[in-house]
Amino acid sequence: EAGVAQSPRYKIIEKRQSVAFWCNPISGHATLYWYQQILGQGPKLLIQFQNNGVVDDSQLPKDRFSAERLKGVDSTLKIQPAKLEDSAVYLCASSLEWRGGLNEQFFGPGTRLTVL
Amino acid sequence: SQQGEEDPQALSIQEGENATMNCSYKTSINNLQWYRQNSGRGLVHLILIRSNEREKHSGRLRVTLDTSKKSSSLLITASRAADTASYFCATDAPNQNFVFGPGTRLSVLP
Repeated sequence: EAGVAQSPRYKIIEKRQSVAFWCNPISGHATLYWYQQILGQGPKLLIQFQNNGVVDDSQLPKDRFSAERLKGVDSTLKIQPAKLEDSAVYLCASSLEWRGGLNEQFFGPGTRLTVL
Repeated sequence: SQQGEEDPQALSIQEGENATMNCSYKTSINNLQWYRQNSGRGLVHLILIRSNEREKHSGRLRVTLDTSKKSSSLLITASRAADTASYFCATDAPNQNFVFGPGTRLSVLP
């Protein structure tokens, strides 16, 4: 079974530039998550999708971050404009469904973003 | 606010020894999960324990949950160099989505 795919694996940009990350979840997984992991910290949930709909985006900085999941499959996360503090690894995860967190999440390799 | 906090922050042991990591949380939970993260395999789910369970086993892993103390522990027995990684607890709580703790960095020395 193919895992969660993410691209790019690495990205270096200047502050105030824009950047987009792509995620392809495991086939058949209805729930998709985007996390931000700053060096030395645990992952922080940014947004959770259930099929096409947003379940939780309470920690997404909506003035600069946006995410979409078209057709309930692939997802993109965008930052516009980027700030220095956005330097982190952005992880995508998927699970079969979201039922009070009972399903384990499968994580992609992440995209390491460096903002200069 | 941080829901789960792992303790210790870092742990070094010799191969063959047991490693114990603890996780404390602040509010009632639906379940608690443990994940491992290393450079080779990324973030991987280890075990899930529900709020009405007290102990679960998976291979060399043993997880306990004490809801009265709002704490969980992860025990790795007979550790191997390949167990070197960061270990995170993650909580699912009512009206609060999935929250990871800051992690415990485990080093298993040959």
